[in-house]
Amino acid sequence: QQQVKQSPQSLIVQKGGISIINCAYENTAFDYFPWYQQFPGKGPALLIAIRPDVSEKKEGRFTISFNKSAKQFSLHIMDSQPGDSATYFCAAVKAAGNKLTFGGGTRVLVKP
Amino acid sequence: DTEVTQTPKHLVMGMTNKKSLKCEQHMGHRAMYWYKQKAKKPPELMFVYSYEKLSINESVPSRFSPECPNSSLLNLHLHALQPEDSALYLCASSQDTTSGGVSEQFFGPGTRLTVL
Repeated sequence: QQQVKQSPQSLIVQKGGISIINCAYENTAFDYFPWYQQFPGKGPALLIAIRPDVSEKKEGRFTISFNKSAKQFSLHIMDSQPGDSATYFCAAVKAAGNKLTFGGGTRVLVKP
Repeated sequence: DTEVTQTPKHLVMGMTNKKSLKCEQHMGHRAMYWYKQKAKKPPELMFVYSYEKLSINESVPSRFSPECPNSSLLNLHLHALQPEDSALYLCASSQDTTSGGVSEQFFGPGTRLTVL
């Protein structure tokens, strides 16, 4: 049973455009919602994260929007750059045990 | 030092070989994790160590044997693997899993394992 569903699977955006990735979760017991960025041959790196009592968080060009009632959250990458080309994973974490439940991933390609 | 290191970067082994993957962190973290990642898939949790004790085993086959010799080191011993075990094996660490709060997990670069 996939507890965190992520869409789209892949995304192509022009340089300067906006990349939008959506995630939906089922379990209301999650306490924390991070996004990870992974480049080929590298491990995932934490990009930005949000707690469920906050509706939006912005760090530079990256923004998380969180809708607790709909059990959905999304990542917006503004002014997308070729260096943003990577796979992005949303995740949800329960504080008890600190277990990460990943979404399926989105491969983002930013064309120059 | 905010880095998790893993050795080797690449490993090719036969189905009868015994090998080990190593992971090290010097951030003072007390929780360490092993994940398996197949191509175009998210990481899947295998094991969690908390304060050098195994706290989670996600029903991983016994041909994978984890070991945590001390708070900075985590090993994954491999024996009699199958070709379908070929994957990227990722190590991660976090402050702990027992405080009741969420601790960010820091990932290493992984070991690319190929089983022939």
